[in-house]
Amino acid sequence: DAMVIQNPRYQVTQFGKPVTLSCSQTLNHNVMYWYQQKSSQAPKLLFHYYDKDFNNEADTPDNFQSRRPNTSFCFLDIRSPGLGDAAMYLCATSRRDSIREQYFGPGTRLTVT
Amino acid sequence: AQKVTQAQTEISVVEKEDVTLDCVYETRDTTYYLFWYKQPPSGELVFLIRRNSFDEQNEISGRYSWNFQKSTSSFNFTITASQVVDSAVYFCALSVISAGGTSYGKLTFGQGTILTVHP
Repeated sequence: DAMVIQNPRYQVTQFGKPVTLSCSQTLNHNVMYWYQQKSSQAPKLLFHYYDKDFNNEADTPDNFQSRRPNTSFCFLDIRSPGLGDAAMYLCATSRRDSIREQYFGPGTRLTVT
Repeated sequence: AQKVTQAQTEISVVEKEDVTLDCVYETRDTTYYLFWYKQPPSGELVFLIRRNSFDEQNEISGRYSWNFQKSTSSFNFTITASQVVDSAVYFCALSVISAGGTSYGKLTFGQGTILTVHP
């Protein structure tokens, strides 16, 4: 089945230790998004790729970076995780031709110790 | 700027009751899309419905129905004969096409409504 896959599902990292979360998709969608969702809050968009064009939200901290080496894969890099970065990170994809529903992966729950 | 308000933080019902989740939105754009997503305890956001601003027809899908009223900027979601499996967090969301496409497809979420259905 076509889908959005996120690995790992659970990630524990130490304060200040760089961590990378990955997302892959078999939907062949042009647009990929990264959201951060803290406990009991709504998802918050960090950035998205429109094909290879990277679009950063104005309030996304510099600590968060992203790479999209090809259509299928997208990575979220947190350079120096702080305790406040503990959250669920959701990857989503959508088609480019119009505003379509976004398809979400299962998320990666990040714990910072 | 866009805003979505889900006034109900938590709703608790007994199985087989009907329940309505409210959603009110704000936008200056004339073309926009409204969504409902379900987030079960597993964490994945599951798409339920998409509605564009030019289509005010209500929709029914099984036990789910949606009432879209532009006059009141509302897009409410009703579950008929609720079941325990309906227990989840439900998010209403809004998306617009901004000039230049720099926020293409960006979803503005409401704060979510936690629905608990008791057996």
